[in-house]
Amino acid sequence: NAGVTQTPKFQVLKTGQSMTLQCAQDMNHEYMSWYRQDPGMGLRLIHYSVGAGITDQGEVPNGYNVSRSTTEDFPLRLLSAAPSQTSVYFCASSRGADTQYFGPGTRLTVL
Amino acid sequence: DQQVKQNSPSLSVQEGRISILNCDYTNSMFDYFLWYKKYPAEGPTFLISISSIKDKNEDGRFTVFLNKSAKHLSLHIVPSQPGDSAVYFCAASGVDSSYKLIFGSGTRLLVRP
Repeated sequence: NAGVTQTPKFQVLKTGQSMTLQCAQDMNHEYMSWYRQDPGMGLRLIHYSVGAGITDQGEVPNGYNVSRSTTEDFPLRLLSAAPSQTSVYFCASSRGADTQYFGPGTRLTVL
Repeated sequence: DQQVKQNSPSLSVQEGRISILNCDYTNSMFDYFLWYKKYPAEGPTFLISISSIKDKNEDGRFTVFLNKSAKHLSLHIVPSQPGDSAVYFCAASGVDSSYKLIFGSGTRLLVRP
């Protein structure tokens, strides 16, 4: 039971490039979320999903897309990276309205 | 405007003494509150939670107190241990939407041996 896994751990992009941050969980959790953590600002919710095929926006969704085709996976897509998206990204999952379990994070730098 | 505020960026405490971390919130719709602990290069891990129908919840050395009228909660750690040194985040949500957490900015706790 690996819990919540995220890949890659580190990524450097140039402005305008696209990429996908991967998130997978093996706990059969319905709920999955993406957060970003910036210095002095805590974690902010980007997008979330309450089940396969269902996604919705969080506090800071602009510049990011998500999809949820399976229960296990919840990828986060940056279509055209900007320096303002330099951050640490955390994926989380939970069973219903229960405690969220977080992955180890992806540190992204956009030059 | 931040809905969840942790006004102390850092706290230093002697081993064995009590650590008190504070959190204030502004949204009266919040009815579920959590504390997460985070070590460097790791994701946050759940520590303890409290719903708005309670004013206190204990789990071993950790106790969370909720004062709804003041929109204030606090985390007490007693006795503090060096392994407790980490960043502590307060978070809030509706009780049926804990997958949509609003986080505070965190307090870095240092427990000195």
